Amino acid sequence: QQKVQQSPESLSVPEGGMASLNCTSSDRNFQYFWWYRQHSGEGPKALMSIFSDGDKKEGRFTAHLNKASLHVSLHIRDSQPSDSALYFCAASDFCAGNKLTFGIGTRVLVRP
Amino acid sequence: EAAVTQSPRNKVAVTGGKVTLSCNQTNNHNNMYWYRQDTGHGLRLIHYSYGAGSTEKGDIPDGYKASRPSQENFSLILELATPSQTSVYFCASGDQGALSDYTFGSGTRLLVI
Repeated sequence: QQKVQQSPESLSVPEGGMASLNCTSSDRNFQYFWWYRQHSGEGPKALMSIFSDGDKKEGRFTAHLNKASLHVSLHIRDSQPSDSALYFCAASDFCAGNKLTFGIGTRVLVRP
Repeated sequence: EAAVTQSPRNKVAVTGGKVTLSCNQTNNHNNMYWYRQDTGHGLRLIHYSYGAGSTEKGDIPDGYKASRPSQENFSLILELATPSQTSVYFCASGDQGALSDYTFGSGTRLLVI
């Protein structure tokens, strides 16, 4: 069973719209979360991290973490065609040091 | 600019042959990682290293070996390549500690025929 589960598998949003991605961990040791973005033909790039309950905003991107339910979400406001990519949720626990476990990804398509 | 460079970018290998994938980082990070990416599985950790001379097994190490001869270089070795090892392989580097993100290379696309 995937320790980090993402939904939906894919989504399509109009340019200027809001994209919402979800991630849940089944391992209560996972307390630290990242979102990575991968454009076609490239390696994943870290988008943002979130370690505390609540919201974290960076530009058009807002992450929300609920540690009690081990649920983290990513919201992309005013989506642009350049946001079309594969988005990974990743998690780690303090005991594992810097070893990240990734979900299977959500593919986002922004329609012009 | 600090970076992670993988070579080769593409590789075709025959079943039973030996394949070596190379990775070099200029980030001065202690930790390095090898992942494979397959549709429906996301990124799965194969081997990782905490520094020169160290290698650790990840979640799917069977059929793979790793070598970390220096801070900058980390190799993934397939002694007897099989078609099931056809995949895209990513190397990454990261600082020590649980709160730092990774820098990934651009990947190596491996086809085993």
